[in-house]
Order: sequence, then structure tokens, then C-alpha cells
Amino acid sequence: EDQVTQSPEALRLQEGESSSLNCSYTVSGLRGLFWYRQDPGKGPEFLFTLYSAGEEKEKERLKATLTKKESFLHITAPKPEDSATYLCAVQARYGGSQGNLIFGKGTKLSVKP
Amino acid sequence: DSGVTQTPKHLITATGQRVTLRCSPRSGDLSVYWYQQSLDQGLQFLIQYYNGEERAKGNILERFSAQQFPDLHSELNLSSLELGDSALYFCASSAGDRSPLHFGNGTRLTVT
Repeated sequence: EDQVTQSPEALRLQEGESSSLNCSYTVSGLRGLFWYRQDPGKGPEFLFTLYSAGEEKEKERLKATLTKKESFLHITAPKPEDSATYLCAVQARYGGSQGNLIFGKGTKLSVKP
Repeated sequence: DSGVTQTPKHLITATGQRVTLRCSPRSGDLSVYWYQQSLDQGLQFLIQYYNGEERAKGNILERFSAQQFPDLHSELNLSSLELGDSALYFCASSAGDRSPLHFGNGTRLTVT
């Protein structure tokens, strides 16, 4: 069964304190791995897509990396405005969930000034 | 702004009733997806349409149905509502199979 597990469930950081969020996945052939940011009361906002192991993408203070079994979202020198829930999702190449995104439950990040 | 529009933003209704949620995808996107988000389950895929045709089904109850119209907007119909159907319902659209999904801001459904 395709599934995504994110850890930790919640993370509290001080402003400027770098850290990483983890996304472990099992999928019937990975078509793509996606990172989203979700603010309270809003829909998920697309951040990155990663397609193959070794790939990296960066955007401002965020950097996403991908291996064959997991992905990391590294946050460098975070600011309070980075506080949000970060969601990881995988898209399977085969099987019943082919083409659709399977989401993890997210990591709720709080950055204190 | 993702470009995906969902209406209404909030919906409060009673058990046993039927409601319709509406979604307008981003301009040019042919695929529309519906997801349900509850506190304990996270985002759960319900159904996908591509250019008017059903393409994939996820954990969608038989009491729920959807359709995509020729102008590409989509509607999700929820009937015989139960308390457990209270959740956020998100619509997303994409340009193609390997393209990211872009989400609307959801409809919050409360069943009393």
C-alpha cells in the first residue's frame, strides 16, 4: 500500500534555528514527490516537486532533497512567517492510486521570534 | 492566489441533508481533484476528473458523487449527510500528470 509518514508531527524553533523535516514514503514506483505549505484556514500551497533520487530544489530559506525512501525539507535560519504546516505527498506511477497525490499528515512548524 | 476558486467557503447543514460544493479550476487546467481533510485523517483523495471524464476514484463514499462540466468547473455532491462528514473539502487542479496540484481554499462543511 502506498503511504507517506512525516516526522516530527510538530516542531518548535527559535528564529534563526535551522532544522529539517522528514518524509518517508513507500510507493508503487515514484512518479513525483511534492512539498506543500498550508496555513490555517487555507488550501495547501505548492512548494517543490522532486522526481528522482539525488534531486534537490531550493526556494528562499527552504531546500528539499530526495532519496529512494525519504525526502527532507531543510529550513535555514527560519523566520516567524515560516510558521505553517508542511505537507509531503507522493504520486505513484502504478497501482490504484496512480496519478493521485497521497499525503502525509504534515509537520506543524512554529517559529518563535 | 492559486487560481482555483471554491464556493461556498462555509456550509452548515443538518444530518440527512444534501449539499453541493463548487470548484472552478485554474485557467487551462483540465484535471480537477477533490480531497477531504479532517483533523485525524489528513488530506484524503476522493475523486479525479479529466476533461469531463472520471479518471480515478479514491476513498469516496457511495453517498458522494461528482461531475465535471464542459466549461471544466466541477461539483461535489454530498447526500444523506452524517456528523462524520464534517470536514474541509478541497478542490485542486493541474495541467497534466506530472504537474503539481494547485489547491483552492476549501469549503468548510459542518453537519449538525
